[in-house]
Amino acid sequence: AQKVTQTQTSISVMEKTTVTMDCVYETRDSSYFLFWYKQTASGEIVFLIRQDSYKKENATEGHYSLNFQKPKSSIGLIITATQIEDSAVYFCAMRENTEGADRLTFGKGTQLIIQP
Amino acid sequence: EAGVTQSPRYAVLQEGQAVSFWCDPISGHDTLYWYQQPRDQGPQLLVYFRDEAVIDNSQLPSDRFSAVRPKGTNSTLKIQSAKQGDTATYLCASSFMGSQNTLYFGAGTRLSVL
Repeated sequence: AQKVTQTQTSISVMEKTTVTMDCVYETRDSSYFLFWYKQTASGEIVFLIRQDSYKKENATEGHYSLNFQKPKSSIGLIITATQIEDSAVYFCAMRENTEGADRLTFGKGTQLIIQP
Repeated sequence: EAGVTQSPRYAVLQEGQAVSFWCDPISGHDTLYWYQQPRDQGPQLLVYFRDEAVIDNSQLPSDRFSAVRPKGTNSTLKIQSAKQGDTATYLCASSFMGSQNTLYFGAGTRLSVL
């Protein structure tokens, strides 16, 4: 069965700095898809960025980028030049497709606090 | 383009009562998901549809939960005889052609069972 693990429960950094959030995963699939989502204080869940496992280049999207280390089954999210509004809970997720079931499995989340 | 719409936003029940949640996915999205998010946890899949067909409902907690998507558009998730352990946020998400593509989430329904 698939598993997504985020070991950091909470991170606090100063505004305008760079932060990295960790995520490791387990899968038997040779091809898979990894995602990062953000959940704001209002509860809204917003898609940020994705990495397809067959792509060697790390994905980037605005001030979000990924550190994809396939041999380590690791997909870190990097946020540069953080802003107060980046304060949220960040979820790593992985697509699983086994026995006909197509599921997106989430980690438990990392709360990011941006200090002014 | 309108996003995923859910209603109601909040629900408060006594144990044993029933409740229904409604979801209108993004137009053109054939795949619709219902997730349960307990407090301080990540979303956990309950059931998903492709068009009107249930593809996977193996994660529905028990026969107290049911979900339908009769015309392949809107969907309803129902809890019969709610329990305190059902307290959570219920999220609907949609995508085009499965979870290899991005899921877009609704705002969720926050359920409290007293």
